[in-house]
Amino acid sequence: NAGVTQTPKFRVLKTGQSMTLLCAQDMNHEYMYWYRQDPGMGLRLIHYSVGEGTTAKGEVPDGYNVSRLKKQNFLLGLESAAPSQTSVYFCASSYMVGAYEQYFGPGTRLTVT
Amino acid sequence: EDQVTQSPEALRLQEGESSSLNCSYTVSGLRGLFWYRQDPGKGPEFLFTLYSAGEEKEKERLKATLTKKESFLHITAPKPEDSATYLCAVQEGASGGSYIPTFGRGTSLIVHP
Repeated sequence: NAGVTQTPKFRVLKTGQSMTLLCAQDMNHEYMYWYRQDPGMGLRLIHYSVGEGTTAKGEVPDGYNVSRLKKQNFLLGLESAAPSQTSVYFCASSYMVGAYEQYFGPGTRLTVT
Repeated sequence: EDQVTQSPEALRLQEGESSSLNCSYTVSGLRGLFWYRQDPGKGPEFLFTLYSAGEEKEKERLKATLTKKESFLHITAPKPEDSATYLCAVQEGASGGSYIPTFGRGTSLIVHP
């Protein structure tokens, strides 16, 4: 099993450009999450999904959109990138509601110039 | 006010020098408390889940304990390979909650040989 994979691993964007980050999991997990991690700020939840076709806002959703068309995939979109979105983005998944641990992908390092 | 506070922010130890990391939380009704390890440039990796006060779990040189207000991650006779950032996450079990874990900002541990 690959677990949680993220594409791409690195990306540099110019202000105003758009991009989509792809997350895939092969564990048949219901819950999927997108976090960003900045120095001194810890992991902050952007959006999450409790199942195929559902999405919900997290702590810092502004400037991002998500889609969960298939259970195994969770897409994070930036429509018009800003320098403040320079960060490391992590995708995670977990089995279901309840005290289940999260499994994280390797991360995407995004720089917006 | 943060729901999850980790201390210290950074900790430097000599190899073999035992110590503890703290995670204090203020959620009402704990459903689960999670510890993760994160190596530089990688995603967090699950270590333990604790569910109720008095519970303890061990893995090699690590032991996690839980009280009603905080959790400790005890590191006994650490080795340089234990160097990492340790993250704590708390899942609230109160009625109407989203069951989405809240992360602390982490403790960066460096173990010198």
